[in-house]
Amino acid sequence: DIQMTQSPSSLSASVGDRVTITCQASQDISHYLNWYQQKPGKAPKLLIHDASKLETGVPSRFSGSGSGTAFTFTIGSLQSEDVATYYCQQYDNLRFTFGPGTKVDIK
Amino acid sequence: EVQLVESGGGLVQPGGSLRLSCAASGFTFSNYAMSWVRQAPGKGLEWVSAISNRGGSRNYADSVKGRFTISRDNSKNTLYLQMNSLTAGDTALYYCAKDVNTLVQGVFDSWGLGTLVTVSS
Repeated sequence: DIQMTQSPSSLSASVGDRVTITCQASQDISHYLNWYQQKPGKAPKLLIHDASKLETGVPSRFSGSGSGTAFTFTIGSLQSEDVATYYCQQYDNLRFTFGPGTKVDIK
Repeated sequence: EVQLVESGGGLVQPGGSLRLSCAASGFTFSNYAMSWVRQAPGKGLEWVSAISNRGGSRNYADSVKGRFTISRDNSKNTLYLQMNSLTAGDTALYYCAKDVNTLVQGVFDSWGLGTLVTVSS
């Protein structure tokens, strides 16, 4: 199976800061990568698919980039409502795997 | 509005069985592949199984292959997960997730709230 890693595992930043999370795949997955947001006690929410395509209704401060094995997720200006755990997930093959998550909170 | 409502979770002894259901509404259920994704308490997300829109294609994670069976009844707009030979490692919140395509693709654009399965003696 394709292994996904994320860094950092957690971060604390101030409102208005730019936040970047990286995701690494154990093999080339082209652009077949999603990013999800999971707020405490809630179900995950799809933010980005195909590595960089923003879902309808998702604020433009969220963005994604990358291809192959290295991907980046960015919150352009952190807001208090962005406190959550963020997961990357590959769908290059039919055994989908998630990264371990990055917990984001406010400093 | 898409709604996915899971049910069937509960406390079960090791070696036991359980069948989860996911009732779908707000979209044409028979047009979309579906998946089950689980989350152990305090842990990350783990994809469990997927099924294409008509059930012709089914996929499983290695951790559940041979023990779990995914199925669907499009006349009832319901997704199922039959879980056998349960172990403590299967303890988790089980989410039903809608795919964006007819065939299994792995882009989950809607999720239910989950149903909790606890395997313990």
